[in-house]
Amino acid sequence: QLVLTQSPSASASLGASVKLTCTLGSGHSGYAIAWHQQQPAKGPRFLMNLNSDGSYNKGDGIPDRFSGSSSGAERFLTISSLQSEDEADYYCQTWGTGSHVVFGGGTKLTVL
Amino acid sequence: QVQLVESGGGVVQPGRSLRVSCAASGFTFSTYGMHWVRQAPGKGLEWVAVISYDGSNKFYADSVKGRFTISRDKSKNTLYLQMNSLRAEDTAVYYCAKGQAYCGGDCPIENWGQGTLVTVSS
Repeated sequence: QLVLTQSPSASASLGASVKLTCTLGSGHSGYAIAWHQQQPAKGPRFLMNLNSDGSYNKGDGIPDRFSGSSSGAERFLTISSLQSEDEADYYCQTWGTGSHVVFGGGTKLTVL
Repeated sequence: QVQLVESGGGVVQPGRSLRVSCAASGFTFSTYGMHWVRQAPGKGLEWVAVISYDGSNKFYADSVKGRFTISRDKSKNTLYLQMNSLRAEDTAVYYCAKGQAYCGGDCPIENWGQGTLVTVSS
């Protein structure tokens, strides 16, 4: 069964960098994922698709401060030069035959 | 630019039905798979259903299988979600989302609507 695991919370200081992690379940380490951002009281926004080799394609208008990387079953979202508007929930999502579409539980990012 | 505008949400009694719609523009609707995703108050995102670009494949989350039906009308560039036998636990904001081109059902989400709130309560 396709499962994605995220830490419930993360925090970092204004202007610093943060690296969020999404872990694929056993047997699915080769899967691609997508990252989505949800700012408070808003709908989600697509950030990027991230492949197992670390290559990624960002959505329209996503700043260069957002980047992705991969290692084994782990998929990462790095946000550099943190701004106050980056305070949001971040969800990873994957897809595959059988489970179709799966979301991680989300990480709430606090900008200090 | 891609626009997805949901409508049709509201308050409905348990056991009743409701249909929500999503008007799509800014892309060739008939060539993209489309999803419904929901978010209960204070909770995370839950995928609900997907329909392939040509409408030939439809897949559902176990929590809604047999009660919800996803469909699309290419002449109107509109996506639908028919929700029957509604329960209190179906209360959520329902988001329409665009998948990838020529998606047969299993594909990432690349655009989101703003959502419509469905409240199931007596």
